[in-house]
Amino acid sequence: AQTVTQSQPEMSVQEAETVTLSCTYDTSESDYYLFWYKQPPSRQMILVIRQEAYKQQNATENRFSVNFQKAAKSFSLKISDSQLGDAAMYFCAYRTYNNNDMRFGAGTRLTVKP
Amino acid sequence: SQTIHQWPATLVQPVGSPLSLECTVEGTSNPNLYWYRQAAGRGLQLLFYSVGIGQISSEVPQNLSASRPQDRQFILSSKKLLLSDSGFYLCAWSSRGLGNRYEQYFGPGTRLTVT
Repeated sequence: AQTVTQSQPEMSVQEAETVTLSCTYDTSESDYYLFWYKQPPSRQMILVIRQEAYKQQNATENRFSVNFQKAAKSFSLKISDSQLGDAAMYFCAYRTYNNNDMRFGAGTRLTVKP
Repeated sequence: SQTIHQWPATLVQPVGSPLSLECTVEGTSNPNLYWYRQAAGRGLQLLFYSVGIGQISSEVPQNLSASRPQDRQFILSSKKLLLSDSGFYLCAWSSRGLGNRYEQYFGPGTRLTVT
């Protein structure tokens, strides 16, 4: 069974600094997708970034980028120039091409200090 | 653009009472639909998913059931609530067919408290 592990329950970053959130996953599949979702205090789940496993190039969305290491089964999220609005729970998620369900990690709570 | 609605936003129900949570999607057709539960401070647990009208797959045996009476409507139900059913319930959709990216889009959620 596929599992997703986020080893950092909480992280803190100073405003305007950079922070990296870690995620590892376990799978025997070769084709899959990885995602980072953000859940602010409103609890609305918001897609931050996606990565297709067949792509070697790391995905980037404005201040958000990932470091995808397929052999190591690692998928970390880097937030540059952190803003107060980035404070939220961040969930790493995985799904294969063929399964309809998405597996989520337990989440990392990010605090941004002014 | 696509929109997903959930209601009610908040619900307080006594133990043993029935439950009906509704989710509807606008702006897309034939979506995959999902129900998740999130316990306080925890990740998301997939409860049910549906690939079409009347087609429901259950991930975890429990006190809950789901139905999909229309293409863009997904309902989560219970005949008798338990204290352990308390939590935050999220509905999500994803598109199917060529070119879809498999990500799921979430509704605003329902906070259920069973007393």
